[in-house]
This record gives sequence, structure tokens and C-alpha cells, in this order.
Amino acid sequence: RKEVEQDPGPFNVPEGATVAFNCTYSNSASQSFFWYRQDCRKEPKLLMSVYSSGNEDGRFTAQLNRASQYISLLIRDSKLSDSATYLCVVISIQGAQKLVFGQGTRLTINP
Amino acid sequence: DAMVIQNPRYQVTQFGKPVTLSCSQTLNHNVMYWYQQKSSQAPKLLFHYYDKDFNNEADTPDNFQSRRPNTSFCFLDIRSPGLGDAAMYLCATSRLDEPQHFGDGTRLSIL
Repeated sequence: RKEVEQDPGPFNVPEGATVAFNCTYSNSASQSFFWYRQDCRKEPKLLMSVYSSGNEDGRFTAQLNRASQYISLLIRDSKLSDSATYLCVVISIQGAQKLVFGQGTRLTINP
Repeated sequence: DAMVIQNPRYQVTQFGKPVTLSCSQTLNHNVMYWYQQKSSQAPKLLFHYYDKDFNNEADTPDNFQSRRPNTSFCFLDIRSPGLGDAAMYLCATSRLDEPQHFGDGTRLSIL
């Protein structure tokens, strides 16, 4: 079983739709969680950290469910510019600096 | 005002000819990473430095070496590139247990 798993998609949704991604992680001791965005042929860029209480940044909402060991990303009112691959990232061992990437979920927003 | 700078953006080398990729940072982060990313795959960690301490991933081929002469610079040396080493190579930096900041990447092609 992979340490961090995501549905690779691709997801094709119309502009303005709400879309949600889930990511599961296997190490229950994991402490830090992030969502990164990666455009085609570009580097990953931090989208947002994920906090235990859940957090929101504009149209983006991230949530963490420790009991079920998954994190989610919700995008509301999707824009064409949201088309990208979304990578779930987990720090599995604090202090060991081991970030584990999911395989990414590819999202395409259609006009 | 790029903070993690990789050179070159595109590198072409011949099969078996050594190549060096470079990364520099202005963030004064103590951790620097090298990732390999192939098409439609998640970034794969090759190794990282925590200050001067080198940490090699168990499945990183011996063909890949790294040097970190000072806090700002880190190099990836590929001693005898094979066709399978064609990929995007990403450098990232961070403070301990914080999100990573990526450079633009170097796209390596092997002839």
C-alpha cells in the first residue's frame, strides 16, 4: 500500500462547479499535511497547509480527518485557471524531513 | 526575485556523459532536496541535506550523487546518464518540518 494515495483522475468539470479531492495516508503518526498545485511542466507550488481544525483560503477549503486518515481539498466556483494537478503531501516523520507526495490528481476545468 | 534558482532550465546530454545540475537559494533554509519527476508521476525524492548531513533514499541509484558546498548551493551529479534518467529534476528547500519551496526545475534530455 502506498503511503499517500490519491485518485489520479483525470477530473473534467465545467467552470463554476464545485470539486472535491480526497487523499489517504497510511502512517497514523503523520503530523503535517499540505496541498500543492503543479501546472504542466512547472514546479509544484504550495497551495495551502492543512490544519486539524480545517482551513479556508478564498474558494479553497482543506480538511483533515485524523480518525480516518484522510485529507480533502474542496474548490468552489472553479475557474479555468484552476486546471492543474493537485498533489497531496504528508510529512510522515517529524524531524526526519521526509515529505511524501501522492501521485497527484489531474483536474481540468472546461468552459 | 526567485528564491530557489535552478540552472540550467533545460539540459541535453549524451548517453553516459556526466552532467551536473545546480540549485541555489536565497531563503537561508537549512534543508535542501533533490527530486526526480517523470511524466504523470509524483516527484520522487532522491536525497536531501539537513545542513551538511546527507540523507540518501534507499532506492536512489548510485549513479546519482550530490554536493552541498555551503548553505546556498546544492548540486546533483549524474555520473553516467542513461535513457531512463531523462526527467524533470526539482530542487526544493525548507526549514525543518515546514513546506518546501521548489525551483523551476531542470528538464534533462538524454541523446
